[in-house]
Amino acid sequence: QKEVEQDPGPLSVPEGAIVSLNCTYSNSAFQYFMWYRQYSRKGPELLMYTYSSGNKEDGRFTAQVDKSSKYISLFIRDSQPSDSATYLCAMSDSNYQLIWGAGTKLIIKP
Amino acid sequence: SQTIHQWPATLVQPVGSPLSLECTVEGTSNPNLYWYRQAAGRGLQLLFYSVGIGQISSEVPQNLSASRPQDRQFILSSKKLLLSDSGFYLCAWSVYNQPQHFGDGTRLSIL
Repeated sequence: QKEVEQDPGPLSVPEGAIVSLNCTYSNSAFQYFMWYRQYSRKGPELLMYTYSSGNKEDGRFTAQVDKSSKYISLFIRDSQPSDSATYLCAMSDSNYQLIWGAGTKLIIKP
Repeated sequence: SQTIHQWPATLVQPVGSPLSLECTVEGTSNPNLYWYRQAAGRGLQLLFYSVGIGQISSEVPQNLSASRPQDRQFILSSKKLLLSDSGFYLCAWSVYNQPQHFGDGTRLSIL
């Protein structure tokens, strides 16, 4: 079993829809959780960073962490074609070495 | 503000040739530096990380090596490339317990 599981997709939704992206993990020591967005042929770009459990909102993006279920989510409201990218989750314990999901490819259809 | 530069963006090399990829960070001091490789459709594999000049930790045994000759410079090298070294190589930096930030990567093709 991988430490972090992420459905590779692709996930295709119409423009304006709410998108839900998820990762599950097995290591209960993880306490730092990140979501990165990666466009084709570019490096990952940090979208959201949360510590421990709870929600964090930034514009159209909301990150959610449920440590009891070992489950994290990224919600995108009012999705745009420019949101089409691969979304990677990453997490770490106190030593700050990141463990990565494989990434979910998201396609927003105009 | 902090910026990270990686070059070249694309590289095509024959099997058995040497490799040198360079990464520099601006706008911060004593960053942690990282080299990753990303295979198509897969997550990131950590190759090396460094917490200071001359301090390199290797995560995956292979024919690649890394060096940090200056505080904000990180170099990935190989003496003889293998076909299996093809991939997308990413450099990243971080400070303290903050998230990592990435360069735009080098796409390496071995022929």
